[in-house]
Amino acid sequence: NAGVTQTPKFQVLKTGQSMTLQCAQDMNHNSMYWYRQDPGMGLRLIYYSASEGTTDKGEVPNGYNVSRLNKREFSLRLESAAPSQTSVYFCASSGDRVEKLFFGSGTQLSVL
Amino acid sequence: EDKVVQSPLSLVVHEGDTVTLNCSYEVTNFRSLLWYKQEKKAPTFLFMLTSSGIEKKSGRLSSILDKKELFSILNITATQTGDSAIYLCAAAGNEKLTFGTGTRLTIIP
Repeated sequence: NAGVTQTPKFQVLKTGQSMTLQCAQDMNHNSMYWYRQDPGMGLRLIYYSASEGTTDKGEVPNGYNVSRLNKREFSLRLESAAPSQTSVYFCASSGDRVEKLFFGSGTQLSVL
Repeated sequence: EDKVVQSPLSLVVHEGDTVTLNCSYEVTNFRSLLWYKQEKKAPTFLFMLTSSGIEKKSGRLSSILDKKELFSILNITATQTGDSAIYLCAAAGNEKLTFGTGTRLTIIP
């Protein structure tokens, strides 16, 4: 029962470097999400994908791009990392109801 | 823009005390209100409320939703050190959840 798998768990980048956070789910869910969590800010939605082939901006999309590669995978790319993107990133997925959200274990990203 | 506001941001109480956490929301096409507990990693689901005035209970935790006034509360009675966590409120619209900032609850033994 893998659920939602995120990689990597930890990453340190230098300002200007690029990287991709990977997310895969094995529950045949239609919808997938990327959130970031900063101290005192709760979870803020970066991008989401309501179905394979579609993506939409969330609350804080600037500086990020996403790809819904197939139904299972939804990746988040930082093209030119900035210190303001230091955060914990969570991938999540849901099936027919958005309320039934399944989270990955998170990625701790530090940008120096 | 959808918005969820929680208060207080932080709360420190002694073991055995009762606490009340607040959540107000403004969400387009509101469907339900959810509470999560977050310790070290990802949030874990506590409650989902869809109807106003219905109180959900699970042991020492209970929650009420008021859809007219657009708020919810989470009560924890006889608190224990294991209740120390961040409690997140989230409101569901059509395609996504909007989370509040969370309340950091610390229980002192």
